[in-house]
Amino acid sequence: QLRVSGPRLVRPPATLSLTCTVSGGSVSSPSDFWAWIRQPPGKGLEWLGTIYYTGSASYNPSLNARLSMSIDTSRSQFSLGLTSVSAADTAVYYCARHIVVPAALMFYLDDWSQGALVTVSS
Amino acid sequence: SSELTQDPSVSVALGQTVRLTCQGDSLRRYYASWYLQRPGQAPVLVIYGDNHRPLGIAGRFSASNSGDTSSLTITGALAEDEGDYYCSSRDPVENHYVFGSGTTVTVL
Repeated sequence: QLRVSGPRLVRPPATLSLTCTVSGGSVSSPSDFWAWIRQPPGKGLEWLGTIYYTGSASYNPSLNARLSMSIDTSRSQFSLGLTSVSAADTAVYYCARHIVVPAALMFYLDDWSQGALVTVSS
Repeated sequence: SSELTQDPSVSVALGQTVRLTCQGDSLRRYYASWYLQRPGQAPVLVIYGDNHRPLGIAGRFSASNSGDTSSLTITGALAEDEGDYYCSSRDPVENHYVFGSGTTVTVL
């Protein structure tokens, strides 16, 4: 089970910070990656980034300069940071377990959190 | 390009069959995964890899792949199948991922 925590209102141009807590499992599992996805109101899904328990991460190229992710295996948590936010960053944010199996040519998100609406407004 | 193209909307009569498509260069190399998002809920994985269904997903959902297109078929659609369907895959060159724009399915 995954749960998102963090401020739901962020003032521009501050940094948006969210944490995903994984219960009933471990972020240290070598077979699992962990992802952030967001969905602006009334729009589609956007992949933000994926992190491995080693700390290695990949980011959406369109947000790469503002994005950072970290992982805390002792707390079974991983986190998202998005700098210099604007109203365009208002969205429902999800965290999810990302199964990455390049040898089988498949990649999928099989366990999602409930969404967390983060509003960017002054 | 890593873009995935989906039709904006489709409707299907109750109990009938509907096919959704997802098109993109990355699908020539990688399988798509498919997600159903019901209104106000988080997305749910319905298909991954070469036509695999997670536990709890009904057998009326199936997928096929040809060239640059992945297709999701709902055989005998139910009212609970209404929602937005998204496909997703990995960029064929870079280590990043993309979602399609989504297809809204209406069951009449």
